[in-house]
Amino acid sequence: GAVVSQHPSWVICKSGTSVKIECRSLDFQATTMFWYRQFPKQSLMLMATSNEGSKATYEQGVEKDKFLINHASLTLSTLTVTSAHPEDSSFYICSAMGDSRNTIYFGEGSWLTVV
Amino acid sequence: AQSVTQLDSHVSVSEGTPVLLRCNYSSSYSPSLFWYVQHPNKGLQLLLKYTSAATLVKGINGFEAEFKKSETSFHLTKPSAHMSDAAEYFCVLGTASKLTFGTGTRLQVTL
Repeated sequence: GAVVSQHPSWVICKSGTSVKIECRSLDFQATTMFWYRQFPKQSLMLMATSNEGSKATYEQGVEKDKFLINHASLTLSTLTVTSAHPEDSSFYICSAMGDSRNTIYFGEGSWLTVV
Repeated sequence: AQSVTQLDSHVSVSEGTPVLLRCNYSSSYSPSLFWYVQHPNKGLQLLLKYTSAATLVKGINGFEAEFKKSETSFHLTKPSAHMSDAAEYFCVLGTASKLTFGTGTRLQVTL
């Protein structure tokens, strides 16, 4: 079964609202989590790296005030898309790495549609 | 249904020797296929991608992969391994609505 759970799988929200996506490690402690975004027919783009208890490190060009990442516990990281716009519609996926740092697990991904 | 199988969870090669990381896929649709690399404590980095153009795809750092529809394979190769190639490699299958990840292959490069 999945060791990283991502929720929701699908979400539709109105333009201007905020939406939160959760990424949970189910049976291990994830000291580091990564958030990615994929545009249609494009490859994954790393958005940010988050370590438990500290601020996320954002990749160049990613608006940290728009894409809020919280990694408050060793099993949960959240991505909040604030004041969403249609161009934020995309596939978002997280991955988690445990203490041993030799295994990485991916969530199932979340489809966000902003209308 | 779609799936990706990385046939080896761990591959060890000597520096300077060829690298072969195997990936087979199953898809009902015309697939896009990607290879990503993840170095320790880093995020994924795209190595190369196939999106129905040339079947032999060249990527960064000397890697290439060949899409073989008859064999449903997309194996990753490099003529000569370097110590810096030691990392985790993921084969990913993409369709219009879903990404499917392989379980990863850890590449070890020895002197």
